[in-house]
Amino acid sequence: NAGVTQTPKFQVLKTGQSMTLQCAQDMNHNSMYWYRQDPGMGLRLIYYSASEGTTDKGEVPNGYNVSRLNKREFSLRLESAAPSQTSVYFCASSPEGQVITGELFFGEGSRLTVL
Amino acid sequence: QKEVEQDPGPLSVPEGAIVSLNCTYSNSAFQYFMWYRQYSRKGPELLMYTYSSGNKEDGRFTAQVDKSSKYISLFIRDSQPSDSATYLCAVARTGANNLFFGTGTRLTVIP
Repeated sequence: NAGVTQTPKFQVLKTGQSMTLQCAQDMNHNSMYWYRQDPGMGLRLIYYSASEGTTDKGEVPNGYNVSRLNKREFSLRLESAAPSQTSVYFCASSPEGQVITGELFFGEGSRLTVL
Repeated sequence: QKEVEQDPGPLSVPEGAIVSLNCTYSNSAFQYFMWYRQYSRKGPELLMYTYSSGNKEDGRFTAQVDKSSKYISLFIRDSQPSDSATYLCAVARTGANNLFFGTGTRLTVIP
């Protein structure tokens, strides 16, 4: 089992460029999440999808859009990248209703630098 | 005010030491408490989960929650070099769709 797979693992962008981070899970989980992790700030939720067909904003959604393509895939798009979006991005998935018991499975992260 | 505060460390201890990692949280509505371990350049993975107050033990790891002081702790006994990682606490409310994470404490266990 691959678990949660994120692509790309590394990306360098120039200010104003756009890109999409891809995430796929093979655990048949209903819920999927996008977090960013910054030094001194911890993990912060950008968007989540409680189930296929739904998406909701998290703590820091500005500058991002998401698409829940199907049950397996949840993508994160930066339409016009800014240096403040330099971060490590983590995708995660969870069985429905189980996130509060910590059953959150993370990918290995995508390291994005915006120049 | 952040939902959960965590001393970032770094913390460096000799092999075999007892390690104490701590977090404080702000909202008494939080009922679920987690500790995650994150190795360098990897995603976090769940280490321990506790509901409400009390202690929970799993091998060398003990999680402790004191709801009266809004304080959560993780103790590692007989620490090993393989325990070297960043430890993140997290909290959640009943019915929530999200967790609030601490900033993480980086631990190094020296052989």
